[in-house]
Amino acid sequence: DSGVTQTPKHLITATGQRVTLRCSPRSGDLSVYWYQQSLDQGLQFLIQYYNGEERAKGNILERFSAQQFPDLHSELNLSSLELGDSALYFCASSVGGPPGVWTQYFGPGTRLLVL
Amino acid sequence: TQLLEQSPQFLSIQEGENLTVYCNSSSVFSSLQWYRQEPGEGPVLLVTVVTGGEVKKLKRLTFQFGDARKDSSLHITAAQPGDTGLYLCAGETGSARQLTFGSGTQLTVLP
Repeated sequence: DSGVTQTPKHLITATGQRVTLRCSPRSGDLSVYWYQQSLDQGLQFLIQYYNGEERAKGNILERFSAQQFPDLHSELNLSSLELGDSALYFCASSVGGPPGVWTQYFGPGTRLLVL
Repeated sequence: TQLLEQSPQFLSIQEGENLTVYCNSSSVFSSLQWYRQEPGEGPVLLVTVVTGGEVKKLKRLTFQFGDARKDSSLHITAAQPGDTGLYLCAGETGSARQLTFGSGTQLTVLP
């Protein structure tokens, strides 16, 4: 158990819909990262937040957005869903802060299926 | 875009055999990490290598970071069925320490 929790574990929805994925980081971690894992693209970095502020953006679509709340939990919002958005979505957290080698701890993921 | 290429993509071996997985890039990384992922779970960090030429050992696993910090290898000695899983390398770049993951090596160790 990494200490990172994600809900829901599974999500089935239809094209065009909007969903919200939730992540609670490990106690004391200020950085939250979101990743998408699909069979054809592998594990791809989407976005990172540090202490409530967006720190880095990766291959995140404009239909997707995220935020980190004052209690440090984070939500990833996916809208106008398409079949190709079906994937595993992982959240990871780390202590973050000044430059250093910070270990990222991954949650168990949310499996999204768009029908 | 920094790409990490892993090889082989799939590997099926018998218990007791040795194997090496490679992770190559044309880019320089500030550090390189190896993860193992099991079905239905998130990746779990095995090791982080930071210095060019660095070698780290974790029981039967040996990790090496290339001198130029562009490539890495994972060697497993006397593989066991419990080593079965998806092995991912990830290079760390940028002030935000974001990770670029390789495509993964699916290892199956048969008893």
